[in-house]
Amino acid sequence: NAGVMQNPRHLVRRRGQEARLRCSPMKGHSHVYWYRQLPEEGLKFMVYLQKENIIDESGMPKERFSAEFPKEGPSILRIQQVVRGDSAAYFCASSPQQGLNTEAFFGQGTRLTVV
Amino acid sequence: AQTVTQSQPEMSVQEAETVTLSCTYDTSENNYYLFWYKQPPSRQMILVIRQEAYKQQNATENRFSVNFQKAAKSFSLKISDSQLGDTAMYFCAFMKPRDDKIIFGKGTRLHILP
Repeated sequence: NAGVMQNPRHLVRRRGQEARLRCSPMKGHSHVYWYRQLPEEGLKFMVYLQKENIIDESGMPKERFSAEFPKEGPSILRIQQVVRGDSAAYFCASSPQQGLNTEAFFGQGTRLTVV
Repeated sequence: AQTVTQSQPEMSVQEAETVTLSCTYDTSENNYYLFWYKQPPSRQMILVIRQEAYKQQNATENRFSVNFQKAAKSFSLKISDSQLGDTAMYFCAFMKPRDDKIIFGKGTRLHILP
């Protein structure tokens, strides 16, 4: 049973380009969470999605960031017109039901570098 | 709003020694969950131990144990017989039941020296 799969592991983008980060949850998990980790910081919540629904996006920046979790395929975190301050590690977690207290399975993250 | 504070940015101990990582938190909730996560150089976030606030008994997982002091809002992690593979960043974290977000501290970088 594969764990949470994120790709790519490393992504380099020039300022102004778009970044697309993918997350495939564990088999049987229908809840996906995205977190961002700035250098020397802990993870900060961004968004919580179920299939085809955004449940909580209170941690998402208001502009340039969007997330989706379609009926088929991985969850996508999209950052438009990236800036240097977007450089961070982005983690995805999944769970079989609402609330990560049941068990939180994290992917290995995508390190985004904006040059 | 809930906050999690880890006051030790970095620690080093000799292999086989015991080390304690500190964590305090602030909340007005009575029931909640507390976690310690390990992040080795591979960046994988690994759940080390979990404590439910309504349980008075401290959680243990092999060489890892916690000292949960609810009144003091303290949740320290003790690693016994430390091993080189314990070298990692350790994050203390908090979550309310049925919530969808975990609140992380800034982490403690732990070095186990041979």
